[in-house]
Formats: sequence, C-alpha cells, structure tokens
Amino acid sequence: KQEVTQIPAALSVPEGENLVLNCSFTDSAIYNLQWFRQDPGKGLTSLLLIQSSQREQTSGRLNASLDKSSGRSTLYIAASQPGDSATYLCAVGDSWGKLQFGAGTQVVVTP
Amino acid sequence: KAGVTQTPRYLIKTRGQQVTLSCSPISGHRSVSWYQQTPGQGLQFLFEYFSETQRNKGNFPGRFSGRQFSNSRSEMNVSTLELGDSALYLCASSLERGPGGNTIYFGEGSWLTVV
Repeated sequence: KQEVTQIPAALSVPEGENLVLNCSFTDSAIYNLQWFRQDPGKGLTSLLLIQSSQREQTSGRLNASLDKSSGRSTLYIAASQPGDSATYLCAVGDSWGKLQFGAGTQVVVTP
Repeated sequence: KAGVTQTPRYLIKTRGQQVTLSCSPISGHRSVSWYQQTPGQGLQFLFEYFSETQRNKGNFPGRFSGRQFSNSRSEMNVSTLELGDSALYLCASSLERGPGGNTIYFGEGSWLTVV
C-alpha cells in the first residue's frame, strides 16, 4: 500500500531564503508526482507535474526533482516571498489516475 | 477558461440527512475525481469518473456515491450523514483518465458541516 510522507510538517523562514520541501513515497511504481499549493480554506492549485520518466520540472522560482528509485521528491522554492506562505502537498499518481497525498508542509515566510 | 466549479460552497446538514454536491469540470475535461479533506485524515480519494463510468473507488462506505452526466458534470451524494462526514469535499478534473501527462485541476471545494 502506497504511503506518502512529507517532512517537515511545518516550516518558517525569513523572506529571501530558499525553501526545500521533501516528499517520500514507499512504492516506486508511480506514474507521476504532482506538487500542489493550498491556501487556507481554498482548493488546491497545481504547481508542478513530474512524469515518472522525468527527473525534474521547473517553473519560475519553483523546481521539483524526482528520484523514483529512492522514493523521493523535493520541491525547491527560490528566494521565498511572504506570498509563498501556504500548505504544500505532494501527491503520487497511479495508473488509474488516483492521487495519494501526503499530509502537507505548512510554510510561513516572514517579512 | 473557467476552472472547476463546485456548488454549494458551504452547507450545514443534520445527522441522518443526505446531501448532494455538484461539480462542473473544466470545459473539455472528461475525468472527474472527488476527494475528502479532513484535519485528521488529510486528503482521501473517494472516486473517479470518466465518460459517465466510475473507474476507481476509494475506501469509503456505500453511503458515499456519485455519478457523472454526459456533459461531464458530476455529483456526489452522501446519505445518512454522520458527524464524521464533516469535511471539505474537493472535485478535480483532468483532460483524460489515468495519469498520462495530465495535470489535475481542483475546485474550491464544498465545506460540509454535519451537526
């Protein structure tokens, strides 16, 4: 049974620092991995989608890596801003399109 | 391009009642999934529909059901509500079924409170 873990559960950094968020999964037979952002009381916004054949994806200040063999993904956010404060969730996708989510990392960026 | 639309956004129901939540996917998207989010359990997969057929189901009791219409709009129903059903119910849509290269887009969710 797939289990997805995100460490740390919460993170507070000063503005300008780089953020590093970790996601690990137990079953390497995944089809893709997605990183999402969730603001309080809101739905999820997709940030990056990495296919199982890819090693990384980049979008602006965001970069996500995927190492299937070790069951790990890392999301890097460069030069953090207060607007980056949110909960970040990773989810692994199976062959049926079902997403298995981690519990999330709550990020606070202080001005 | 309109995003995923969920209605109602907020609702309060009494134990034992039933509730129906609606989801309109992004135009052209044929896959619709439903998730339940609670503080204790996080995000859990309920079911996924593609072309009006349920293709995948999570580990929820039979009180949770859903359907998809020919225009890809989807509804989920919860009967005999329990206090533990209080949650944020999220709908997501994607272009095709299965993971492929498909980014999944979520709606804002429906907040259900059972009293």
